[in-house]
Amino acid sequence: DAGVTQSPTHLIKTRGQQVTLRCSPKSGHDTVSWYQQALGQGPQFIFQYYEEEERQRGNFPDRFSGHQFPNYSSELNVNALLLGDSALYLCASRRTGENYGYTFGSGTRLTVV
Amino acid sequence: QKEVEQNSGPLSVPEGAIASLNCTYSDRGSQSFFWYRQYSGKSPELIMSIYSNGDKEDGRFTAQLNKASQYVSLLIRDSQPSDSATYLCAVSLGGGYQKVTFGTGTKLQVIP
Repeated sequence: DAGVTQSPTHLIKTRGQQVTLRCSPKSGHDTVSWYQQALGQGPQFIFQYYEEEERQRGNFPDRFSGHQFPNYSSELNVNALLLGDSALYLCASRRTGENYGYTFGSGTRLTVV
Repeated sequence: QKEVEQNSGPLSVPEGAIASLNCTYSDRGSQSFFWYRQYSGKSPELIMSIYSNGDKEDGRFTAQLNKASQYVSLLIRDSQPSDSATYLCAVSLGGGYQKVTFGTGTKLQVIP
């Protein structure tokens, strides 16, 4: 049973560029959330997707956008990258309606130079 | 006031001792509480969840919840060097769409 898979694992981008990160949820899960984790900090909630719609959003600018596909996989897009966007981006999934904690993927380490 | 607060540590305990990790939260409507363990350079791993007041035990781990005091804790008995990690407290209002909010984590060091 595959867990949450994320790609790529590492990425280096230049300031001002755009980036797309991808996530496939754990089998049986249909809700996907994205988190940003800066070094030494806890994960910060970006947004949550269910039934291909954004259901909840954290305090992140519109440069951060997402999408969920019919197979429940998801993408996180970040436009006009800033140096401060450098972080570990975590995708987490769970089955909607269940109150269990999220299962996290191994993350994408984004470095903006 | 932060939604979920934890002491960043590091908390150092000798091998075999009990490690006590604490967390407070601000939203009285919170219904679901989680503890995650995160090793350096890795992603968070769920180790405990608790939903009602009292204690919940799983092996060497015990989660404690006091909703009146808005306080949740994690006890690790017989601490091992392999328990050295950052422990993240996470809180949710419950329900299918509710986001899970994390604290900044407490770094635990178990000294052999």
